[in-house]
Amino acid sequence: DGGITQSPKYLFRKEGQNVTLSCEQNLNHDAMYWYRQDPGQGLRLIYYSQIVNDFQKGDIAEGYSVSREKKESFPLTVTSAQKNPTAFYLCASSIDGQLGGGYTFGSGTRLTVV
Amino acid sequence: DQQVKQNSPSLSVQEGRISILNCDYTNSMFDYFLWYKKYPAEGPTFLISISSIKDKNEDGRFTVFLNKSAKHLSLHIVPSQPGDSAVYFCAASGTGSARQLTFGSGTQLTVLP
Repeated sequence: DGGITQSPKYLFRKEGQNVTLSCEQNLNHDAMYWYRQDPGQGLRLIYYSQIVNDFQKGDIAEGYSVSREKKESFPLTVTSAQKNPTAFYLCASSIDGQLGGGYTFGSGTRLTVV
Repeated sequence: DQQVKQNSPSLSVQEGRISILNCDYTNSMFDYFLWYKKYPAEGPTFLISISSIKDKNEDGRFTVFLNKSAKHLSLHIVPSQPGDSAVYFCAASGTGSARQLTFGSGTQLTVLP
């Protein structure tokens, strides 16, 4: 079955540590996205990538980094520079990033800073 | 500045009645609108969409209405079922700088048995 796999489902990080969230898709989608969800807020775009080896900052990219070395994979690193990293992180992909069509989402990773 | 707004954080409806979820947008470049449904600790799933060339799209119990002049869309669920209880996100996209999906803050729908 095609889909998006995010791992791990739950992640705990100590303050000052970098942590990487995994996102893999086997849908052959060109575009991939990372969103962050906080209570009472919508999904805010962190980074997106429309093609391998290229990515763009979203609305809240500070403190995050990404790579897109393979079409299937779009890992997100939450660095120690991110002031408030505790949140629910969602990865998504789409066939054509430019048309803004329906996105397919992963099941999310809940990151907690302890 | 929120370009997509869902002003009602929560809505409670009796089972069998109609649920109406509202969404307003400000960006005139938006021309494609979607509704997503999200359960706790899961990713959103696509529910229904509408292009700006239409004013209504229907899929079973779900109907989305678009009023371009008012920059307003709504999702109607008839009849509402307890399994519909979830957070509903409105999203919009367009061309150029608006081509990525922009989401509203969501509305928690609770359908009471």
